Amino acid sequence: GAGVSQSPSNKVTEKGKDVELRCDPISGHTALYWYRQRLGQGLEFLIYFQGNSAPDKSGLPSDRFSAERTGESVSTLTIQRTQQEDSAVYLCASTPGTGYEKLFFGSGTQLSVL
Amino acid sequence: AQSVTQLDSHVSVSEGTPVLLRCNYSSSYSPSLFWYVQHPNKGLQLLLKYTSAATLVKGINGFEAEFKKSETSFHLTKPSAHMSDAAEYFCVVSDRRFQKLVFGTGTRLLVSP
Repeated sequence: GAGVSQSPSNKVTEKGKDVELRCDPISGHTALYWYRQRLGQGLEFLIYFQGNSAPDKSGLPSDRFSAERTGESVSTLTIQRTQQEDSAVYLCASTPGTGYEKLFFGSGTQLSVL
Repeated sequence: AQSVTQLDSHVSVSEGTPVLLRCNYSSSYSPSLFWYVQHPNKGLQLLLKYTSAATLVKGINGFEAEFKKSETSFHLTKPSAHMSDAAEYFCVVSDRRFQKLVFGTGTRLLVSP
């Protein structure tokens, strides 16, 4: 597609349920990032994939969070046993190569945990 | 660790008047600095970036920013605001050692006719 696509755009879930968020990067982009934006806060780095290298998971806030990416295609961010503090916008971004400055962002998934 | 502070949560201007969005940064290494814009229901877009070349950086849509090391600032300016400039603006710092971007809390720019 023309840009980074994220789905769903909105997700409402009950506390304790698992959720899966999807990101389709721009075709050919080797690097993919997940960020979280809580209300009134800056973006928090979650995880970074670069080609076939081991991902940088240093930003994942707990073991309830995990992410996968197959090759240089779709990525899924999974949150298990969701908590109310997980409510945020989850943003995905991709970039063509090792130059991380020019990030192409998706529109995000608004997650609301009741 | 690097950090960035956006001094104003909201800035209101009239169309045709200058825009100033303030940003101060902290970084242990030579920083790269960016401004991103987020329009409603759209993804973030890079406005401009500074990576140790010229201290005055020109970006898209008439925006520019000046890197001032002595003041640890990277303020965003535009001579004349347009209604379409109304959006959320994020100042971002990074350094190549960490390869991660750290975003500020954002400044909402409101433009009135």
